[in-house]
Amino acid sequence: AQSVTQPDIHITVSEGASLELRCNYSYGATPYLFWYVQSPGQGLQLLLKYFSGDTLVQGIKGFEAEFKRSQSSFNLRKPSVHWSDAAEYFCAVGTYTGNQFYFGTGTSLTVIP
Amino acid sequence: DAGVIQSPRHEVTEMGQEVTLRCKPISGHDYLFWYRQTMMRGLELLIYFNNNVPIDDSGMPEDRFSAKMPNASFSTLKIQPSEPRDSAVYFCASSPYELTADTQYFGPGTRLTVL
Repeated sequence: AQSVTQPDIHITVSEGASLELRCNYSYGATPYLFWYVQSPGQGLQLLLKYFSGDTLVQGIKGFEAEFKRSQSSFNLRKPSVHWSDAAEYFCAVGTYTGNQFYFGTGTSLTVIP
Repeated sequence: DAGVIQSPRHEVTEMGQEVTLRCKPISGHDYLFWYRQTMMRGLELLIYFNNNVPIDDSGMPEDRFSAKMPNASFSTLKIQPSEPRDSAVYFCASSPYELTADTQYFGPGTRLTVL
């Protein structure tokens, strides 16, 4: 069965530090991969997505993610975190067969001054 | 565009009452999705529509839940009767593309509390 795993429930980083949020998926073929961000009291907003091609994907707000087929991973990175990045981050997987879409359980990011 | 609009933003009701959540998708989007978010279960897809037609309602938890889309600009999610375990944030999302193909645009959500 397809699934998405975000192993880190909560991460705390200092402002200006680098960030990496982990995402692993389970699917027999190459899925469509997404990262969404949810600010408190808000809906989800797409940060970036991967369908095919270049495995390093650039998104909004200075985020990037790298698809690694060998590791079944799609980790989200940012070189320097800002206080406004504090939010909940969701990895999501879409499959082009069976028309399924799955969200991970989310990683809560706290940014300290 | 104003984005996906949901109402109400907050709803508090008593067990056994009927609850209706409303959603206006982005104009021109053919797909509409209803999600439920809880701490225990995360984000769950409840149902989605294509051109106002329900395509997959396998995520609807019980017969107490029903969803309609009478036209391209309006959808409702109804819970009757409501129970405390229905307390959650309910999101509506719309997309110009098929479920697995591209971006979904989310509304701000409705926080439902059933006492």
